[in-house]
Amino acid sequence: GENVEQHPSTLSVQEGDSAVIKCTYSDSASNYFPWYKQELGKRPQLIIDIRSNVGEKKDQRIAVTLNKTAKHFSLHITETQPEDSAVYFCAASRRGTSYGKLTFGQGTILTVHP
Amino acid sequence: DADVTQTPRNRITKTGKRIMLECSQTKGHDRMYWYRQDPGLGLRLIYYSFDVKDINKGEISDGYSVSRQAQAKFSLSLESAIPNQTALYFCATSDPDRGTDTQYFGPGTRLTVL
Repeated sequence: GENVEQHPSTLSVQEGDSAVIKCTYSDSASNYFPWYKQELGKRPQLIIDIRSNVGEKKDQRIAVTLNKTAKHFSLHITETQPEDSAVYFCAASRRGTSYGKLTFGQGTILTVHP
Repeated sequence: DADVTQTPRNRITKTGKRIMLECSQTKGHDRMYWYRQDPGLGLRLIYYSFDVKDINKGEISDGYSVSRQAQAKFSLSLESAIPNQTALYFCATSDPDRGTDTQYFGPGTRLTVL
């Protein structure tokens, strides 16, 4: 089955700096890569996702890049703000009727210091 | 707003007890999932169901069972709870047939097994 490794496990940055979280996956057939944000005491929520037919996707201060050859993808947050502090999870799956289940990485605790 | 709800939100039980966690959704989604979250281990899939008659084991199904009573309800049971089942449990739903692979999570159930 799929295996997703996520690094780093913790990340501390100053407000305004950039933050990068990296994930690698094992199943070359995986074609969908979402990122979820979980604030303290809250449920995980999707913040951005990418499909394997594109290499990069941006949404305001967040972006995701995908390297299919190397089987890794990354989350980039620019101009970090204290409200970006949360746990971030990457995940991978094969889109399609029979393979819609996600495999998650171990999570990254991001702390943004004012 | 359409939502995913879980009951109970918190539960303390003793080793050997049978316990049921319930999940309901008003999103009209066909797919439902149960995950457990442990610090440093991310979200791990216990069971998933793609429709009422389809139940599948995830990566950590031992010690758990599920029931899909209706499209909107998916219950997780621990037949004989043990301390290492102490964790935060999340239910989630999705419906890729609507054009999005997003999984929507419930608020979670914090389970403590003494």
